[in-house]
Amino acid sequence: GDSVTQMEGPVTLSEEAFLTINCTYTATGYPSLFWYVQYPGEGLQLLLKATKADDKGSNKGFEATYRKETTSFHLEKGSVQVSDSAVYFCALIGPGTSYDKVIFGPGTSLSVIP
Amino acid sequence: NAGVTQTPKFRVLKTGQSMTLLCAQDMNHEYMYWYRQDPGMGLRLIHYSVGEGTTAKGEVPDGYNVSRLKKQNFLLGLESAAPSQTSVYFCASRPTGDPSYNEQFFGPGTRLTVL
Repeated sequence: GDSVTQMEGPVTLSEEAFLTINCTYTATGYPSLFWYVQYPGEGLQLLLKATKADDKGSNKGFEATYRKETTSFHLEKGSVQVSDSAVYFCALIGPGTSYDKVIFGPGTSLSVIP
Repeated sequence: NAGVTQTPKFRVLKTGQSMTLLCAQDMNHEYMYWYRQDPGMGLRLIHYSVGEGTTAKGEVPDGYNVSRLKKQNFLLGLESAAPSQTSVYFCASRPTGDPSYNEQFFGPGTRLTVL
């Protein structure tokens, strides 16, 4: 079945460091790919998405490119801030499902220190 | 516009007790979902609903029941709580249409501990 693998962390970075969180997936066909963010004490929020190969999703300085050849959707940000401390979830929706089952990765905890 | 709200925020139960978690949304969304979040496992779908009066099983439905009597509310029940149901529960909703273009909106979660 469809699945998502991501580094679990925790990841600790200094402010202004470069961030990469790796995400790879297994799916039949061409899924849509997402990154969700969960700030402390809150529910998940959609951060960015890409619905076809080579698309780049971007939001709040974060970017991720849908790479079909490597089945990856790595999240990047050039300069992290303390306010980016959160848990990040990679997710997919496979094509042709009878309902929109979102497959979530285990989440990566990020802590940014001043 | 409150979005998706969940009641209660925290709860501690003893094994065998029952309880109901309430989810409410004020966005007129057709679809609603209940997930559980456990360390290292991401979110797993418990039950979902595609409209008022409908419910369906998700990935991990055992030990839970749901009802969607009103469009804006989606209730999750535990008839006889077990320690394995200790988790954080999230409700979500979304409008109709392609799920790739109509995101789910999540509530703040309910932290449940079963002793």
